[in-house]
Amino acid sequence: DVKVTQSSRYLVKRTGEKVFLECVQDMDHENMFWYRQDPGLGLRLIYFSYDVKMKEKGDIPEGYSVSREKKERFSLILESASTNQTSMYLCASSSITGGTDTQYFGPGTRLTVL
Amino acid sequence: SQQGEEDPQALSIQEGENATMNCSYKTSINNLQWYRQNSGRGLVHLILIRSNEREKHSGRLRVTLDTSKKSSSLLITASRAADTASYFCATDEGYQKVTFGTGTKLQVIP
Repeated sequence: DVKVTQSSRYLVKRTGEKVFLECVQDMDHENMFWYRQDPGLGLRLIYFSYDVKMKEKGDIPEGYSVSREKKERFSLILESASTNQTSMYLCASSSITGGTDTQYFGPGTRLTVL
Repeated sequence: SQQGEEDPQALSIQEGENATMNCSYKTSINNLQWYRQNSGRGLVHLILIRSNEREKHSGRLRVTLDTSKKSSSLLITASRAADTASYFCATDEGYQKVTFGTGTKLQVIP
């Protein structure tokens, strides 16, 4: 079974702090994604990566950056956390083979910025 | 980007009843997927239907797709309390990216 893990389930940070959210997948998937989920807004794509060192902006990249130095790991960085970045962050991965784009999700990180 | 819109936003039914939720989208798709999310957890893939398919079954799940109306429905038959969750449709936009809707929150009352 595909396993996607995220470094923390819950995280509390202060405004202005630099925040790192880590995601690791164990199925050699090429694609990895970061979403944020807010009530009433569903999942919104922040960034995705289709290969090592490659990244593409999603729908809401402002205030975020990403890093993918290894195939299995995709990091989301909040350079200077703000209260409006309080949210649930979900990481996912998918394979380009099979042509279905089924995504496998981690358990999520609930980030609170005070 | 296009986004699926689920309807209703929330649904409450008794255990044993059927639950139907709908998804509408805006442009042509390669496939449409349904995901489930238990409270505070990640999403889990349930079923995929391709654009050239009209209906698909998986256990107690039945998915239909009407590409002329740009809509899909998910039917859960004989619901159980354990089916309580949020359900999302996701449309394939190509380039290995899918777009998720806002979800239907289903409550199954024992």
